[in-house]
Amino acid sequence: GQQLNQSPQSMFIQEGEDVSMNCTSSSIFNTWLWYKQDPGEGPVLLIALYKAGELTSNGRLTAQFGITRKDSFLNISASIPSDVGIYFCAGANNNDMRFGAGTRLTVKP
Amino acid sequence: GAVVSQHPSWVICKSGTSVKIECRSLDFQATTMFWYRQFPKQSLMLMATSNEGSKATYEQGVEKDKFLINHASLTLSTLTVTSAHPEDSSFYICSASPGQGYQPQHFGDGTRLSIL
Repeated sequence: GQQLNQSPQSMFIQEGEDVSMNCTSSSIFNTWLWYKQDPGEGPVLLIALYKAGELTSNGRLTAQFGITRKDSFLNISASIPSDVGIYFCAGANNNDMRFGAGTRLTVKP
Repeated sequence: GAVVSQHPSWVICKSGTSVKIECRSLDFQATTMFWYRQFPKQSLMLMATSNEGSKATYEQGVEKDKFLINHASLTLSTLTVTSAHPEDSSFYICSASPGQGYQPQHFGDGTRLSIL
């Protein structure tokens, strides 16, 4: 399907720093999802959001479903080396799921 | 829970060979599974929706005779790349959802296909 607008494309940060990435769309979605993909593996679900305005945390990760239902952000606090990878946002309506282009995160120890 | 297994994880074969990739939901039943293709440093592109007991729904531009999908049971969908050529080399990933609706999708570990 068509891609969402995900930014930034890549980030180079120091261990311990906080990270923020976001996705926007011209379309409304009922569900926003954030995945992480390591090289040579499939994406792993990090956080699923089902309600506009919803703020959900998973450990050091926090994601929000935008109130307009057209955007979402993901924050990672106190980054560690194993946070390295590609983060994808996905917006979904029933069986129509669209992915962002991904944010490639590099964490320098 | 919600484990999706894909096999094989890596295939290298000669041009003209047909390759079958399996996607299994290990701890749940899935009436619908999805097949994606991913090129290096790019996002996932949906190829087709696999429906148990009926024909798959293909995205625009995806040749159904080239990429055969069979969803014969509630836990298994297969993707066969027929008469594969070097341009078919890619990372193929399947997904399925254990929920009543289609979300959230859980992904297999992917299959790296290399056609020589």
